[in-house]
Amino acid sequence: KAGVTQTPRYLIKTRGQQVTLSCSPISGHRSVSWYQQTPGQGLQFLFEYFSETQRNKGNFPGRFSGRQFSNSRSEMNVSTLELGDSALYLCASTLDGGSGSTYNEQFFGPGTRLTVL
Amino acid sequence: SQQGEEDPQALSIQEGENATMNCSYKTSINNLQWYRQNSGRGLVHLILIRSNEREKHSGRLRVTLDTSKKSSSLLITASRAADTASYFCATANSGAGSYQLTFGKGTKLSVIP
Repeated sequence: KAGVTQTPRYLIKTRGQQVTLSCSPISGHRSVSWYQQTPGQGLQFLFEYFSETQRNKGNFPGRFSGRQFSNSRSEMNVSTLELGDSALYLCASTLDGGSGSTYNEQFFGPGTRLTVL
Repeated sequence: SQQGEEDPQALSIQEGENATMNCSYKTSINNLQWYRQNSGRGLVHLILIRSNEREKHSGRLRVTLDTSKKSSSLLITASRAADTASYFCATANSGAGSYQLTFGKGTKLSVIP
């Protein structure tokens, strides 16, 4: 099976612009989560989607948003970029049978490196 | 917020030696997962241990979990230069079908050939 894919791998934007990142989960996985990784804050949870619905959201401003499509692919958007948004954005997919089990492993993609100038 | 705290923050060993990393967390968990990350790349899933398990093995990896002490350890036996990476523990808290992971700050392991 192909792993989690993320596009693009690298992005350079300027302050005030917006950006959209894409994630394709492992085939059959219905849950997609997004994380931000920075040297200062480490890995932080952004949000999680299942069946096109946001199930959980981390402590990030409203400039960070996401969505999930019917084929489980997900996108996240950051509007009005700030210098502090420079980070590695990681997407993870999980096989979720819908029973509410929290025992399933999360598999991560290679990440999108966003640089805001 | 960071729940897990790995210890040590950095570890340098010779090839062939064993490496032990520890992780502590604060709240009740459903499971704990260990990940490896090579130099700014994606996270590679290593092992998941459930809250009702005490020990788990996978190849050269051994993970223990002590829920009474809210701690876990990852042992890598017979280390190789290719094991050089950052290692993170991540906890999954209870929640209605949510997979929010809370990560520690990681242990940077250097294996010297």
